[in-house]
Amino acid sequence: SQQGEEDPQALSIQEGENATMNCSYKTSINNLQWYRQNSGRGLVHLILIRSNEREKHSGRLRVTLDTSKKSSSLLITASRAADTASYFCATRSYNTDKLIFGTGTRLQVFP
Amino acid sequence: NAGVTQTPKFQVLKTGQSMTLQCAQDMNHEYMSWYRQDPGMGLRLIHYSVGAGITDQGEVPNGYNVSRSTTEDFPLRLLSAAPSQTSVYFCASGGALAGNTDTQYFGPGTRLTVL
Repeated sequence: SQQGEEDPQALSIQEGENATMNCSYKTSINNLQWYRQNSGRGLVHLILIRSNEREKHSGRLRVTLDTSKKSSSLLITASRAADTASYFCATRSYNTDKLIFGTGTRLQVFP
Repeated sequence: NAGVTQTPKFQVLKTGQSMTLQCAQDMNHEYMSWYRQDPGMGLRLIHYSVGAGITDQGEVPNGYNVSRSTTEDFPLRLLSAAPSQTSVYFCASGGALAGNTDTQYFGPGTRLTVL
């Protein structure tokens, strides 16, 4: 079974609104990463947060990590139509080199 | 830099045929991996490698073989194609846990249909 599960599976918002996606995982991790995938394309790395970090920012992206709840959230502020894509979390566990992906959230931003 | 390249972009096979999906990277990354993506399933790890001569199984390795004879190349072999292997296959390269840099770079994908 997959390590990460995203919630919601799909999200539709208007331009200018904020979008929040959540990721839950099962085992202890070294780091958690978020990736974006435009339709039919390869994935692009957005941001990485390590297990000893609680919050990280990159431009309009804000990621939080709660290791006690085994969960993370990705916030995209002031969303744009160009943010329309699927977003995936991925976890790297301790003592393994495997990077395991979740099931993804499809974000639709309407102009 | 070309980044991560995958060939072919599209492929149609008949059940029982074999083929090799090619993946190459020019960033001198030690870590390379193969994923398959099916609708509603996200990406599932097939096999991965932490360096030349070293490979290991991921979440869904059955029906696939890999080898890593050079740092640059990481081919994925389908031994006897089955309709259940119809999917989009992505190759990725990047850092690994030990390397402390963990951004993965993905190829454009290979769309495989098995009839």
